[in-house]
Amino acid sequence: QVQLVESGGGVVQPGRSLRLSCAASGFTFRSYGMHWVRQAPGKGLEWVGVIWYDGSNQHYAESVEGRFTISRDNSKNTVYLQVNSLRAEDTAMYYCARDRGWPSGHFDYWGQGTLVTVSS
Amino acid sequence: QSALTQPPSASGSPGQSVTISCTGTSSDVGGYNYVSWYQQHPGKAPKVMIYEVTKRPSGVPDRFSGSKSGNTASLTVSGLQAEDEADYYCSSYVGNNRIIFGGGTKLTVL
Repeated sequence: QVQLVESGGGVVQPGRSLRLSCAASGFTFRSYGMHWVRQAPGKGLEWVGVIWYDGSNQHYAESVEGRFTISRDNSKNTVYLQVNSLRAEDTAMYYCARDRGWPSGHFDYWGQGTLVTVSS
Repeated sequence: QSALTQPPSASGSPGQSVTISCTGTSSDVGGYNYVSWYQQHPGKAPKVMIYEVTKRPSGVPDRFSGSKSGNTASLTVSGLQAEDEADYYCSSYVGNNRIIFGGGTKLTVL
């Protein structure tokens, strides 16, 4: 069965960096694009970005472009989200999700999320 | 790019139908047939209910249906059941390789 497991969240001071991971299993990881979506506490969903199946392209939301970087290691079935220069407004649950047909916005499997709290 | 506009809340009694709207512009909802709908129960990850405006993934009850007219997409839940109570989010491709979500609608089953 398809599984996505995020890790790497925690409490971090403003201005610092963090790398989130999403380990995939149960499907041919190298064949699928992967997304990151975040959700601030009590708020709605916000698309963060996508990386193509082969890592050749990444696209980001305007709000994070230049600070966030998505990468992947297909040999480890893992996608990463590098988050730099963290701000209080980056506090959120970060989900990874499998793409089912870019650019349809169809995310067919989601992880359970990893919580990032930006606080001094 | 602002979020798509959804009503903050909707409600209906068991067995009734309810429709949730998602309003954008001709640059997003109206410009592409790439609207999806997600259901999210408290403390859980979202689950896709509708994609590409009208398509329903396998395993999603046919009580859930999607449509679009102009710049507004809609999700209709027929034969409301208690387990349908959740937050619902629409999303749309907005061009320039980006996707946006709506602000979310809390559906209450009375």
